[in-house]
Order: sequence, then C-alpha cells, then structure tokens
Amino acid sequence: EVQLVESGGGLIQPGGSLRLSCAASGFTFSSYAMSWVRQAPGKGLEWVSLISGSGGSTYYADSVKGRFTISRDNSKNTLYLQMNSLRAADTAVYYCAKCQAQGSGAPFDYWGQGTLVTVSS
Amino acid sequence: SYELTQAPSVSVSPGQTASITCSGDKLGDKYASWYQQKPGQSPVLVIYQDTNRPSGIPERFSGSNSGNTATLTISGTQAMDEADYYCQAWDSSTVVFGGGTKLTVL
Repeated sequence: EVQLVESGGGLIQPGGSLRLSCAASGFTFSSYAMSWVRQAPGKGLEWVSLISGSGGSTYYADSVKGRFTISRDNSKNTLYLQMNSLRAADTAVYYCAKCQAQGSGAPFDYWGQGTLVTVSS
Repeated sequence: SYELTQAPSVSVSPGQTASITCSGDKLGDKYASWYQQKPGQSPVLVIYQDTNRPSGIPERFSGSNSGNTATLTISGTQAMDEADYYCQAWDSSTVVFGGGTKLTVL
C-alpha cells in the first residue's frame, strides 16, 4: 500500500525558513517523480514543485522560484521542500504527491494527508 | 502562463448526469487529468490521460478532451460524488490546475 506522510509544518514568522519532509513507502521511491502541491485555506490547488525520480531534474512554480528548493533522498525514501523567505501568501496545506512516472508530464496518483504551514507574525 | 478555466459550481440531481468542463488554449493537444477532493480530505485522481480511470474509481466517471475543452462526466450521480473537482494539465514543464468546480448533488 502506497503511503505518503508529510511533516514539518507549523507557524513561522514572515521571512523565516521551514523544511517539509514526506516519508514514502509501498513503492519503489526512486522510480517515480514526486511533487509538492499546496492549498491555501478555502482556495484551490496550486502546484509548487516537482523532482524527477533520480533527482536530476527539478521544476518550480514562478511563485516560489528562488525561494523554495525541492530535493529527495532515495536511500531514505524521503522527499523534502526547503522553504526560505516565507510570506503570508505561502500559508497553505502542503501536499506531497507521487507521479505516475519517473519524469515530468504524468498525473499524481497518490497524495499525502498534507501538512499546514502558517506564515504569520 | 497557461491557464485552465472551470466554472465555480455545478448542480445535479441524484441519478442524473453531471458534466464538469475545463477550458484552456489547445487543451486537446495535452493530456488532462481530474481530481476529486471532498471536504477535509486529500485529492484523489479520478481520470488521467483524458479518458482513463485509475483502479478503484467507479465506471460512472468518464472523461474526454478535444479542442480547447476537457470534460469530466459523472453518470448516475450519487450523493457521495458531491465534492470539488479540479482539472490538471502540463505545459512547458509546469503543472497547471484549474480553479476547481464545486459539484452539488441535490
């Protein structure tokens, strides 16, 4: 059974940093691209970033480019999102999502339960 | 940047057919996926590559994609289908989601 468990969310002041983690199990982690998708309170889904199975290719939404960094440790079956220079607009539930394929272009067939990030003073 | 447009809400009577559309420039040239999200839950993939249903998704869910519009069709809509539905596509190595459609079954 595929499981994705996010952690690392919380309350952080504007300008601060936070690192999210997503522990994966139930599939061959290195064979699939992984992504972060966020959802602000009462709003729709917003894609944040994606990383290929090998970790060699990364992609970012314009809204986070230069501030967020996606990475993965295939030996630990874990996905990360380093978030710097956080803004109030980054407040959201952050979901970890598994892609159907190793590279970009595939849909997200499994999602975690999400972790809430609140940016506020 | 690429945009996908969805109607904010759609209503349907139980047992009837619900159609939820997603519009984007030459969307038919791309693959469209659809996600269902119920309140307080994570999204669930219900249609991928325009017309394919993942294992475990009921046959009443179907999809199509042509021209500038992708459509999610729910035949024989049930009360349990009441949820937000999001379309999604890839464009220039970025993921794009539609704004979402709230399906009300009444």
